[in-house]
Amino acid sequence: GAVVSQHPSRVICKSGTSVKIECRSLDFQATTMFWYRQFPKQSLMLMATSNEGSKATYEQGVEKDKFLINHASLTLSTLTVTSAHPEDSSFYICSAIGEAGRGYGYTFGSGTRLTVV
Amino acid sequence: DAKTTQPPSMDCAEGRAANLPCNHSTISGNEYVYWYRQIHSQGPQYIIHGLKNNETNEMASLIITEDRKSSTLILPHATLRDTAVYYCIVNTDSWGKFQFGAGTQVVVTP
Repeated sequence: GAVVSQHPSRVICKSGTSVKIECRSLDFQATTMFWYRQFPKQSLMLMATSNEGSKATYEQGVEKDKFLINHASLTLSTLTVTSAHPEDSSFYICSAIGEAGRGYGYTFGSGTRLTVV
Repeated sequence: DAKTTQPPSMDCAEGRAANLPCNHSTISGNEYVYWYRQIHSQGPQYIIHGLKNNETNEMASLIITEDRKSSTLILPHATLRDTAVYYCIVNTDSWGKFQFGAGTQVVVTP
C-alpha cells in the first residue's frame, strides 16, 4: 500500500530558529500533499495544500510567510517553520495522494512533534 | 467546517462489537464517507470508505443509510489496540481537502 514517511519524528528547537519537516511518498507519486497541525487534545487542523510545482494554498489564518511549504518533486514536500516560537509547538502531520490513490483516501505520515523552547 | 457529527466518546468491552455512529446530513451525491482512526501521537490510519453501499474489509464494516445522511462503523471484535480517536469524514474522490471534525474517542476496556 501507499506509504508516506515523515521526518523527523521529534524535534526540539530554540525560539527564533527555523525548523524543516520533510514528507516523502515512498512508493507513489504524490501530486497533492496536505499539511496539518494538531494541538493537544484537539483535532487535526488543515494548514495548507500543496501541489507539485506550484505555490501552496494556505487555509485562512495560517501565515504563509511563517510556514513555508515547498513541493518541488512528486515525492517530497517540506514544511519550514520560520522564526519558531513556543506557541508553534505542536504535532505536524502531512498527507499525500497520487493518481493511483484517487478515490481511496489519503495516506498520512506518522507526524512530527515540534517543541520550541 | 467539518460536515460530520460524532459522539465525543464511547466505551467498549474487549471482544465485543463497537458501533460508531456518524451523522452527515448535508452529504452531496458525489461525496464518499471515509473513516480514519488516530492512535495517540501517531498519524491517522485509513480504515474504510464507501459511497452508498455497505462495505467490509479486514478491519471493519461500514453501514450507510439509504438516504446517506448517516453511517455506522462497526469494529466486529474490539481489542485493546483499537483504543483511538475515530474520525468520520465526507469528501469527494478527487483532490478535495480532508477536514477533520472532533471525532469519537473510543476506549476499549478488558
